[in-house]
Amino acid sequence: SQELEQSPQSLIVQEGKNLTINCTSSKTLYGLYWYKQKYGEGLIFLMMLQKGGEEKSHEKITAKLDEKKQQSSLHITASQPSHAGIYLCVYNQGGKLIFGQGTELSVKP
Amino acid sequence: GAGVSQSPSNKVTEKGKDVELRCDPISGHTALYWYRQSLGQGLEFLIYFQGNSAPDKSGLPSDRFSAERTGGSVSTLTIQRTQQEDSAVYLCASSLGSGGGPGELFFGEGSRLTVL
Repeated sequence: SQELEQSPQSLIVQEGKNLTINCTSSKTLYGLYWYKQKYGEGLIFLMMLQKGGEEKSHEKITAKLDEKKQQSSLHITASQPSHAGIYLCVYNQGGKLIFGQGTELSVKP
Repeated sequence: GAGVSQSPSNKVTEKGKDVELRCDPISGHTALYWYRQSLGQGLEFLIYFQGNSAPDKSGLPSDRFSAERTGGSVSTLTIQRTQQEDSAVYLCASSLGSGGGPGELFFGEGSRLTVL
């Protein structure tokens, strides 16, 4: 079955710094979702990437899908404390959702 | 409502009791998923409903767990004779479609279950 591995597992950055989170798949990615989970809350949809080479941005968050590398990256520019949380990449495999293990981001003011 | 609604948001129960968790998906969404997240663990697939098709129950951890979806809308996850290891946040998600065509997934805020 397909597996998603995220790196790093946790990240502490100073406010204002840029950061990148990676999600690597064991098989070809035909699209990918990125979600954010704040402690004790549900998952918040960030972006959906549907094809190789696609890049999407929302506010200060940019996500790319590199189909050949079976990888997606999430980049945050000028991080803020509000960006703190757990970032999850998710793949929809025939209805069953495959989750990365998550990357916990802390932003120091 | 506008989003996926789950209830109760918090449930504390005694070991051995039965619990029911409810999920109200977004109107018109044919796909409904149940996941759980234990402390320090990733998200674990439980069950998936798609339209009128037979649900994919492959993730249910034991026969104490069951779920139904009435009228293609509201879903109830039932845990019988709860055990302490059942303590987790149970998340429900819905989407317009499934399979190869990815649709946006909408998650509820979860039901936090604590078994004493």
